[in-house]
Amino acid sequence: EDQVTQSPEALRLQEGESSSLNCSYTVSGLRGLFWYRQDPGKGPEFLFTLYSAGEEKEKERLKATLTKKESFLHITAPKPEDSATYLCAVVPKAAGNKLTFGGGTRVLVKP
Amino acid sequence: DVKVTQSSRYLVKRTGEKVFLECVQDMDHENMFWYRQDPGLGLRLIYFSYDVKMKEKGDIPEGYSVSREKKERFSLILESASTNQTSMYLCASSFRRGGAETQYFGPGTRLLVL
Repeated sequence: EDQVTQSPEALRLQEGESSSLNCSYTVSGLRGLFWYRQDPGKGPEFLFTLYSAGEEKEKERLKATLTKKESFLHITAPKPEDSATYLCAVVPKAAGNKLTFGGGTRVLVKP
Repeated sequence: DVKVTQSSRYLVKRTGEKVFLECVQDMDHENMFWYRQDPGLGLRLIYFSYDVKMKEKGDIPEGYSVSREKKERFSLILESASTNQTSMYLCASSFRRGGAETQYFGPGTRLLVL
């Protein structure tokens, strides 16, 4: 069964304190891995897609990396506006276009 | 920019009512999806559609149906609402079938069934 696990469930950071979020996955072949950001009461907002091990993508203070078993979302020198829930999702090769989501990591950045 | 809109941000309905949730996308996407999101359970796929008049069951289709009469519009129907259908409902769309296409989400509809 395809599975996505995110850790930690919650993360409290001081402004400027860099950290990493983990997304580990078990799938029968990976077609793609997605990172989304979700603010309270809103829909997920797309951040990155990664397709193969070794790939990296960056956007402002965020950097996503991918290995054969997990992905990391690195937040460098975070600001309070980076506070959100970060969701990881995978598309297994046998699943067409269906996403399997992890439970998310709630990030709170204090000034 | 891709825009996915949902007909209501908040809805309050009574048990047994028929409920319609509408979703519209403006990017000529082939694929459309309905999810529900609950604390501790994450996002779960209810139904999806790869083309007009086509639909496929997701992981939790019981108690729901869908309609896709036009490419840009995908409706989720709760035939007889129950309190366990109180949830955040999210619609998404992606460009075409196959591959790992990015899904773009709407703002969500928070439904309360009393």
